[in-house]
Amino acid sequence: KQEVTQIPAALSVPEGENLVLNCSFTDSAIYNLQWFRQDPGKGLTSLLLIQSSQREQTSGRLNASLDKSSGRSTLYIAASQPGDSATYLCAVSAGYSTLTFGKGTMLLVSP
Amino acid sequence: GAVVSQHPSWVICKSGTSVKIECRSLDFQATTMFWYRQFPKQSLMLMATSNEGSKATYEQGVEKDKFLINHASLTLSTLTVTSAHPEDSSFYICSARSRDGTSNYGYTFGSGTRLTVV
Repeated sequence: KQEVTQIPAALSVPEGENLVLNCSFTDSAIYNLQWFRQDPGKGLTSLLLIQSSQREQTSGRLNASLDKSSGRSTLYIAASQPGDSATYLCAVSAGYSTLTFGKGTMLLVSP
Repeated sequence: GAVVSQHPSWVICKSGTSVKIECRSLDFQATTMFWYRQFPKQSLMLMATSNEGSKATYEQGVEKDKFLINHASLTLSTLTVTSAHPEDSSFYICSARSRDGTSNYGYTFGSGTRLTVV
C-alpha cells in the first residue's frame, strides 16, 4: 500500500525566504505526482504535475522535482510571500487510479 | 484549464435529513470522479470512486447506503448524505481526472462543501 509522507508538518518563515517542502512515497511505481495548495476551508488548487518520466516542473516561483527511484519529491518556493501561506499537499497516483495524499505542510509566511 | 464546480459550498441541515452535493466538470468530460472527506487538520480520505453509468466503488469502511453516489452523465456526479447525523459533519471534496493540455493526466478538484449537521 502506497504511503506518502510530508516533512515538515508546519513551517513558519519571514517574507522573502526561499524554502523547500519535502515529500516521500514508499512505492516508486507511480504514474505521476502532483503538488496542491489548500487554503483554509477551500478546495485544492493544483500547482504542479510531474509525470513519472519527468525530473522537474516549474511554474513561476515554484519548482518541483521528482526522484522516482528514491521515492522523493521536493517543492521549492522562491522569494516567499505572505500570500503563499497555505497548506501544501503532495499526492501520487499509480496508473488510472485515484491519488494517495500526504498529510500536508502548513506554511506561514510572515510580512 | 480544467474546472470542476462543486455546490453547495456550505450547508447546514438537521439531523435525520438528507443532503445532496453536486460535482460538475465544466469544460471536459469525466467518466470517473472521486469523492473525498476531510476532517479538520487532516488530509483527504477517499470515500468512493464514481463511475459514469455504473455503480460507484466505495472504500473500505464507507457505508454505501449512507453515502449515495450517482454519476448519471459525463459531467455530473452527486453525493447524497442520507439520514445525516452530527458525526457526518465534515468537508467533502470531489475531483475528476483531466488532461493538462497534452496527453498527461492530472486531477482537478472542486472547491469543497462544508456540511454541518445540527
